[in-house]
Amino acid sequence: NAGVTQTPKFQVLKTGQSMTLQCAQDMNHNSMYWYRQDPGMGLRLIYYSASEGTTDKGEVPNGYNVSRLNKREFSLRLESAAPSQTSVYFCASSGVRGANVLTFGAGSRLTVL
Amino acid sequence: SQQGEEDPQALSIQEGENATMNCSYKTSINNLQWYRQNSGRGLVHLILIRSNEREKHSGRLRVTLDTSKKSSSLLITASRAADTASYFCATDRGGGSYIPTFGRGTSLIVHP
Repeated sequence: NAGVTQTPKFQVLKTGQSMTLQCAQDMNHNSMYWYRQDPGMGLRLIYYSASEGTTDKGEVPNGYNVSRLNKREFSLRLESAAPSQTSVYFCASSGVRGANVLTFGAGSRLTVL
Repeated sequence: SQQGEEDPQALSIQEGENATMNCSYKTSINNLQWYRQNSGRGLVHLILIRSNEREKHSGRLRVTLDTSKKSSSLLITASRAADTASYFCATDRGGGSYIPTFGRGTSLIVHP
């Protein structure tokens, strides 16, 4: 049982380049999330999807777009990467209504030069 | 803005000692959760406590919740070197919102 799988694990971009982080879960969870983790800042929510077909902004959505492709997959896109988007990105999913216990992926480390 | 804040930011203890870390939050909640993160890895859920509960246990973990003080504590008893990790509390914002919001975490080092 793979849980939550993120790709790629590492990526280096130049300022202005675009890229998509992929996330897939095999637990039949309804809700999926994207967080970013920066030193000293904890995790901050970028976007979430409460169910297939819906997406909502979190705390720090600027510069990002998301797509809930189907129930399994939730992708995060950086259209024009900036150095401020250098971070570790975590995808998570949850399946229990009224509790939102998260299962996390291993993370994607992104560096924008 | 972050709902929960952990204290202390860093904690260093010897194996066998107990480790206590605290979480304070700002608004009413439905649930409070604790997660562990080993270096370079994703977060792993440890325990969830609901707003109408005061204490929960899971193995060597004990979590308390005081909603009047808007605070929670995580106690790890008889710490082991393998407990070395960062620990995060996550709270929602109550009402119909169950989206977890994380604090900055407590970095725990357990010396063998």
